Amino acid sequence: NAGVTQTPKFQVLKTGQSMTLQCAQDMNHNSMYWYRQDPGMGLRLIYYSASEGTTDKGEVPNGYNVSRLNKREFSLRLESAAPSQTSVYFCASSARDRGSTEAFFGQGTRLTVV
Amino acid sequence: GDSVTQMEGPVTLSEEAFLTINCTYTATGYPSLFWYVQYPGEGLQLLLKATKADDKGSNKGFEATYRKETTSFHLEKGSVQVSDSAVYFCALTYNQGGKLIFGQGTELSVKP
Repeated sequence: NAGVTQTPKFQVLKTGQSMTLQCAQDMNHNSMYWYRQDPGMGLRLIYYSASEGTTDKGEVPNGYNVSRLNKREFSLRLESAAPSQTSVYFCASSARDRGSTEAFFGQGTRLTVV
Repeated sequence: GDSVTQMEGPVTLSEEAFLTINCTYTATGYPSLFWYVQYPGEGLQLLLKATKADDKGSNKGFEATYRKETTSFHLEKGSVQVSDSAVYFCALTYNQGGKLIFGQGTELSVKP
């Protein structure tokens, strides 16, 4: 019963390096999301995918790109990492992008950019 | 814009104490309201929700009532346990699935 799985769990990057955060869900959900969590600021939406084949910007999309590879997988890419992107990143999924449906979260990726 | 504000943490309580975590929101419409909980080292999980004014959400002894007149959704529990130690997030959505606006989170620490 995996739910939402994120890899890696921890990562340290140097400024300017690139990396891709992976996310997969096994609940047959249509919608997937990437959030970042910063101290004192709660979680903020970076990008989301309402359904396979679509992606849209959230509140804080600058410096990131996403790919909805198939219904299960939604990746987040940092092309040129900056110290301001040091954060904990959470992937989430929900059955649909409408209604007050529950969102299911992965365990997070703790990223440090030095 | 829409926003959610929670009381500052950390909150430290003794086991069996009464818990209140305040949450107020600013919204242009009529959102659904949620409490999510994050246990150490884990992702967030839904604790309870309310979809319209005067609804009460409840789960695991926690309760919160959607108060439109005071734009609040305070979380309460009559008797906390050590296992309730976690970070609690209040959030809202305009029925947009997992597109949530979160408060800053309140850390709760319960001592034996």
